[in-house]
Amino acid sequence: DGGITQSPKYLFRKEGQNVTLSCEQNLNHDAMYWYRQDPGQGLRLIYYSQIVNDFQKGDIAEGYSVSREKKESFPLTVTSAQKNPTAFYLCASSPRRDRVDQPQHFGDGTRLSIL
Amino acid sequence: LAKTTQPISMDSYEGQEVNITCSHNNIATNDYITWYQQFPSQGPRFIIQGYKTKVTNEVASLFIPADRKSSTLSLPRVSLSDTAVYYCLVGPLSGSARQLTFGSGTQLTVLP
Repeated sequence: DGGITQSPKYLFRKEGQNVTLSCEQNLNHDAMYWYRQDPGQGLRLIYYSQIVNDFQKGDIAEGYSVSREKKESFPLTVTSAQKNPTAFYLCASSPRRDRVDQPQHFGDGTRLSIL
Repeated sequence: LAKTTQPISMDSYEGQEVNITCSHNNIATNDYITWYQQFPSQGPRFIIQGYKTKVTNEVASLFIPADRKSSTLSLPRVSLSDTAVYYCLVGPLSGSARQLTFGSGTQLTVLP
C-alpha cells in the first residue's frame, strides 16, 4: 500500500529539548510539506520541499528545521526555540514539484505535547 | 493570497443533501479550489477539485459560480460516517506552496 507514514503518533517534549518527527512516503512524490494544526483551526504551512536537498520556509518556520536528503523522507525537528510547540503536526506529499495545485496526500499526524 | 471563509459548523440529518460554502473574494485568475475531509486524529483526505462551473465525482459535487468568489461543496445523502471537518483550499496551479490558503474548516455533524 502506498502512502505516508508519520511517527511517532504521540510525542512529549521536555523544556529545552529538540525533538524530531519522522515522515516517510512511498508514493514517489516530488514535493513534501509540513503543517501545524492547532485545536479548532486550519492548517498552517511550516516548511515544504519540492526536490531533494532543497526546502523553503512556510508561514510559521521559526523554531523548526527540516532536511530532505532522500526523496522519500522529510523529517521535521521542533527546536527549543519553538516556545509553543503543542499541536498536531501533519506531513503531506504531492506528485509534481512544479504543480502546487495537485491534491496532497497526508499522513495521520503526530501529536506533540509539552511535559 | 486568497483568504477563505467557511461556516464554523453545520448540522444535518442522515439522507439529506449538505451544501458547505467557502467564500474566497480575492481569488486569483490561476487559483484552483480544492476540498478536503478530516476525521479526528487523522490527516485530511482529498475530496474534489475544480476551477469553474461544476465538477462531480463519486462522492461529491463542487459548484463554482462565474465570478469564482465562492464555491459550494455538495454531499448527497449524507450518512453518520460523513461527520467530519471539511476544509476549502485555494491555490495556484504552479508557484509557491505559501500561496496555498486553507480555510479554518467546517465541522459537519450528521444526526440520526
